[in-house]
Amino acid sequence: DTAVSQTPKYLVTQMGNDKSIKCEQNLGHDTMYWYKQDSKKFLKIMFSYNNKELIINETVPNRFSPKSPDKAHLNLHINSLELGDSAVYFCASSDFGRPNTEAFFGQGTRLTVV
Amino acid sequence: AQKITQTQPGMFVQEKEAVTLDCTYDTSDQSYGLFWYKQPSSGEMIFLIYQGSYDEQNATEGRYSLNFQKARKSANLVISASQLGDSAMYFCAMRGPVYSSSGGGADGLTFGKGTHLIIQP
Repeated sequence: DTAVSQTPKYLVTQMGNDKSIKCEQNLGHDTMYWYKQDSKKFLKIMFSYNNKELIINETVPNRFSPKSPDKAHLNLHINSLELGDSAVYFCASSDFGRPNTEAFFGQGTRLTVV
Repeated sequence: AQKITQTQPGMFVQEKEAVTLDCTYDTSDQSYGLFWYKQPSSGEMIFLIYQGSYDEQNATEGRYSLNFQKARKSANLVISASQLGDSAMYFCAMRGPVYSSSGGGADGLTFGKGTHLIIQP
């Protein structure tokens, strides 16, 4: 069973389009995240959501919006895609009440904007 | 704000040798956790090892051990008897508070820039 699954794995789209990346976790974790990995492999947190509060990295453009239909899902919606949005996006989850445990990552979605 | 520094962008190591990947961190929090992740060329993020700030002993997981020196704020990863399959990107990360401009807080991982390790036969 995949602990954190995100779809699609690859996404190629044109500038200006709106797209979504889905993420689901079956670990019963109460906190989910989105991270962006740029072309230099640098990973940076975009959002942290613990089903009560959404914390946004203030450097993230408001074209990016996470949506959580329930505790097990945190989808990422991106409006008006730009070339600079091309990156690998990782969903992750962890147990906020157990800070000594690791975050589990999905396999990543490679987004290419052309 | 938390900061993780990995000063080795790339390393070449002979197979079967031990390798140390450096990581230093900066935080004003008293309680924090340090993690190492491996990212092979296939792209997934694989958890390797964890060290808590209050742990008195260095963490070990199989061939992985963490050389934790709290006073120096370093958490170096040691891989013993390296194998070809160890070739990958390695990321040091700290778990701690992530704050928004509105003052709300949650936790998250702050990553270093990574070290690209290549094991040579």
